[in-house]
Amino acid sequence: DTAVSQTPKYLVTQMGNDKSIKCEQNLGHDTMYWYKQDSKKFLKIMFSYNNKELIINETVPNRFSPKSPDKAHLNLHINSLELGDSAVYFCASSQSFRDRGTEAFFGQGTRLTVV
Amino acid sequence: GENVEQHPSTLSVQEGDSAVIKCTYSDSASNYFPWYKQELGKRPQLIIDIRSNVGEKKDQRIAVTLNKTAKHFSLHITETQPEDSAVYFCAASRNTGFQKLVFGTGTRLLVSP
Repeated sequence: DTAVSQTPKYLVTQMGNDKSIKCEQNLGHDTMYWYKQDSKKFLKIMFSYNNKELIINETVPNRFSPKSPDKAHLNLHINSLELGDSAVYFCASSQSFRDRGTEAFFGQGTRLTVV
Repeated sequence: GENVEQHPSTLSVQEGDSAVIKCTYSDSASNYFPWYKQELGKRPQLIIDIRSNVGEKKDQRIAVTLNKTAKHFSLHITETQPEDSAVYFCAASRNTGFQKLVFGTGTRLLVSP
């Protein structure tokens, strides 16, 4: 059983389109994240939700809008796609504790190509 | 904010040799330091982590050391094998319960048979 699963795995779309990536985790974790990995393999956090509440919102264009319908799901919607949005997007989850959160488990990634 | 520097960017070793990857962090409040291995086209996977109340941790051929004063931490892989070839990322986090991981730029390790 896949712990953190993302769909789709590959996404090719034209500039200006709107697209969504979905993420689900079955680990019972209460915190989920979106990370972006660019062409140079650099991994950078974008957003994080804890129990459906946004807790981390890095400097990301407002064309990117995360949504967490429940603590097991975190979706990422991107409006007006640009060439520079091409990257691999990773979802991750962890369990929060008072001062010792667990390791972050990553999904398999969604490779987004904007043409 | 936190900044994590990682060296070297590429590392080539012969099978059986040791490999060392070093990271430096800037935020003295960081207290959690995981290492992730990413094989080509795959997800990052945790291989070892260390918290700031510990100076060293080992797991079979892998060890991590932490120097809080110098804000350095290192990954040591002994007796390297070809299947160790991958990109390795260090990260730092103020683990207040949530994992806002700040990653290093990655080290591509190539182990030649």
